[in-house]
Parts: sequence; C-alpha cells; structure tokens
Amino acid sequence: EVQLVESGGDLIQSGGSLRLSCAASGFSVSSNYMSWIRQAPGKGLEWVSALYAGDKTYYADSVKGRFSISSDSSKNTLDLQMNSLRGEDTAVYYCAKQVGRSTIFDNWGQGTLVTVSS
Amino acid sequence: DIQMTQSPTSVSASVGDRVTITCRASQSISSALNWYQQKPGKAPKLLVYGASSLQSGVPSRFSGSGSGTDFTLTISSLLPEDFANYFCQQYYTTPTFGQGTRLEIK
Repeated sequence: EVQLVESGGDLIQSGGSLRLSCAASGFSVSSNYMSWIRQAPGKGLEWVSALYAGDKTYYADSVKGRFSISSDSSKNTLDLQMNSLRGEDTAVYYCAKQVGRSTIFDNWGQGTLVTVSS
Repeated sequence: DIQMTQSPTSVSASVGDRVTITCRASQSISSALNWYQQKPGKAPKLLVYGASSLQSGVPSRFSGSGSGTDFTLTISSLLPEDFANYFCQQYYTTPTFGQGTRLEIK
C-alpha cells in the first residue's frame, strides 16, 4: 500500500529556513515522479515543485531560487528545503506521487503546516 | 498559467440528490483534467483523471465529462460520505487547480 507522511512543518519567522520531508512507503521515491503542492489557509491548491525520478527538478515561479527539492533514496524520502520564507508561503504542504510521467496526483500525504510570521 | 474556474463555490444538497460541479479552463486543455475530493484534515483523493476515467476504487456514482475548456463532475445519488470539498486540476501544462467547491448537507 502506498503511503506518504509529511513532517517538518513549523512556525518560522519571515526570512527563515525550513526543511520538509515526506516519508514514502509502498514504492520508491527515486523511481517515480513526485511533487510538493501547497494550500494556503482558505485558498486553493498551488503546485510548488516536482522531482522527476530523482533527477530533473521543476519549480513554480513563486518559489524559484528559494526552494529546493530533492530525494534521499536511503530513507525513501522526498524533501523540500525552503529558504527566505515569506508570509505568502504560509500553507499546508502536501507531497504527492504522480502517475507515471503525468501530473496526475494519485496519492497524497496528509500535509504539514508551515506558518511564516512577520 | 492556465486558470481553472469552478462553479459553484459551494452547493447544498440532500442525500440522494444528483449534483453537478463545473470547471472551466482559460484555454483549451483537451482532456487533461482531474477531479479530487478532500475532506477536512484529510489527504486529497483522486476521483477522475483524463476528464472521464474513474480512478480505481472510486464508486460508479461519480462521473466526469467534458473536453476543451468545459468539464463537469457529477455525483448521481449523494451518500453521506460524499459531503466534502471537490476541486479540479489541469495537467495540460504546469498543473493548476480550481478554487474548489464545497458540497454541504442541506
């Protein structure tokens, strides 16, 4: 059974850094296409970043240059390093597994809350 | 980015009702459209992909249709567990999501 569990969310001051992790079971993160997606309070979902088979990375313009996505095959985790955090980064962050090479998200974690205070 | 607009923003219905939610893309996305269900505090769940293909394990009372710019998600006969938030997502280009539709009990 596929399972995704995010961790690392916290209350952080504006300008600070935080690292999120998504522990996967039931499949290999490094062999799949994976994304981080966020949802600000009371808002819709926003795709943030993707890692394709542990190799190619993609970022939304809103986080480009500040966030970095990676995977750790020894731990089977997907990570998101977030630097220079801003108030608008406040959101629940979800990791999601993609179907093959598509951006159909067939499995999601429960999310981890990041709150950026000014 | 392609903008996805859902309507209505919220809808009240009763158990047994037929409900339709619409999603409109700002440009043609062919059939690259997914529907998800989300309950409070839970992970989103994929219901329909490719506009009309039902994800494995999803009950047949859910159905999706449309192509181009206009899409619908229909629940043929509401059950109590269907009251949740629903949102669409296009994957024709960089993925974007609709703002969501809240389905409430009347």
